[in-house]
Amino acid sequence: GEDVEQSLFLSVREGDSSVINCTYTDSSSTYLYWYKQEPGAGLQLLTYIFSNMDMKQDQRLTVLLNKKDKHLSLRIADTQTGDSAIYFCAEDTGRRALTFGSGTRLQVQP
Amino acid sequence: GAVVSQHPSRVICKSGTSVKIECRSLDFQATTMFWYRQFPKQSLMLMATSNEGSKATYEQGVEKDKFLINHASLTLSTLTVTSAHPEDSSFYICSAERTGPNTEAFFGQGTRLTVV
Repeated sequence: GEDVEQSLFLSVREGDSSVINCTYTDSSSTYLYWYKQEPGAGLQLLTYIFSNMDMKQDQRLTVLLNKKDKHLSLRIADTQTGDSAIYFCAEDTGRRALTFGSGTRLQVQP
Repeated sequence: GAVVSQHPSRVICKSGTSVKIECRSLDFQATTMFWYRQFPKQSLMLMATSNEGSKATYEQGVEKDKFLINHASLTLSTLTVTSAHPEDSSFYICSAERTGPNTEAFFGQGTRLTVV
C-alpha cells in the first residue's frame, strides 16, 4: 500500500542544521520528492532523488535515501528564518500523481 | 520554473451552494492536471486526475457528481464542489503536468474552502 509518514513539527535555531524525516512503504517508488509550502503559496519543488541513489546534495540541501528502511531525510544546512515553512515528502510510484506525507512544519527561531 | 495559478485562494460559502475553483497553467500547456485535498494535519490526498478533452479519473471514495471536474482547454481545469457541506471544508490544491525531457508537476497556491 501507499503511506508516507512525517513528524508534524520541528523547531530549530537560526544557523543550525534541520533534518526532516520521512518514511514510506511502497518499495516500487521511482522518485522521491521534497516540496516546500510557504503561507499563501503553492507547493514548491525543492529537490528530488531517484530511487537508485543514496544521497543528493544541492547547495544547502542534502537528501539521504535508505531504500532498505524506506527512509528519506532532508537536511537543511545553516537554516535561516526564510526556511520556515511546511515541508512535504512525496513519492512517485509510477502513477504520475504523487503520494504525499502530512507535512512537517519547520519553525526557525532567530 | 513554470507557473500554475489557482483561484480563488480562499472562499467561504454557505451550505448547499456550489463553488468553482480554477487551475491555470500560465506558461505551458498541460494535458493532465491533478486535484488534491488536504484535511488539517493530514496528507494531501489525490482526488482526481483531470485530462484535457476527456472525463476525469476519480480516486476511490471521491464522488464524481459532487466534485465536478472540467478540463476544457490545455491551460485550464476547474473543480466545482456542488452542494457544499461543512465536511467539504478543506484545502484544495491542483498541479499541472508539464511534459517533456523532464516531466514535472507544478502546483497552484491552493484554495482554502470553508463551508458555513
